[in-house]
Amino acid sequence: DAMVIQNPRYQVTQFGKPVTLSCSQTLNHNVMYWYQQKSSQAPKLLFHYYDKDFNNEADTPDNFQSRRPNTSFCFLDIRSPGLGDAAMYLCATSREGTGGLPLHFGNGTRLTVT
Amino acid sequence: AQSVTQLDSQVPVFEEAPVELRCNYSSSVSVYLFWYVQYPNQGLQLLLKYLSGSTLVKGINGFEAEFNKSQTSFHLRKPSVHISDTAEYFCAVRYSSASKIIFGSGTRLSIRP
Repeated sequence: DAMVIQNPRYQVTQFGKPVTLSCSQTLNHNVMYWYQQKSSQAPKLLFHYYDKDFNNEADTPDNFQSRRPNTSFCFLDIRSPGLGDAAMYLCATSREGTGGLPLHFGNGTRLTVT
Repeated sequence: AQSVTQLDSQVPVFEEAPVELRCNYSSSVSVYLFWYVQYPNQGLQLLLKYLSGSTLVKGINGFEAEFNKSQTSFHLRKPSVHISDTAEYFCAVRYSSASKIIFGSGTRLSIRP
């Protein structure tokens, strides 16, 4: 089945230690998104790639970076995680160009910062 | 400003009772509307979507939603809930003029036996 896969499901990192979360998709969608979701809150968009074009949200901290080496893969890099960065990180994809299409989400990576 | 409002943060209901989860969005000429469900420690799964056409939309797991343009609402309903429906439900809106999907703050549905 075509899907969005996030690895790992659970990630523990130390305060200030760089961490990378990964996302892959077999849907051949041209847009990939990274969302941050804290407990009992709505997902918050950090940034997205439209094909190779990177689009950063205005309020996304510089501590968060992303890479998309090819259509299938996208990475979220947190350069110096703080305690406030502990959250569920959700990757999503969509096929744009025709409008109104939903997001397809992975199962998320829960990040713990110690 | 473009926004989505889910008025109820929590909705407790008894098993086999009907349920309605409310969603209102800020007015626009045209919108695309979605409901997502999130089970614990999982990503969001699409329940249903309204793009155009019939205002009554049927989704998975017996859920349906009705698009009401005059009231700018897209309430989610199910005639008889099951324990397995316990989850967080998110309403989302995409405005034609923007590329971003805006999520509501979510409604936690808890089912009592």
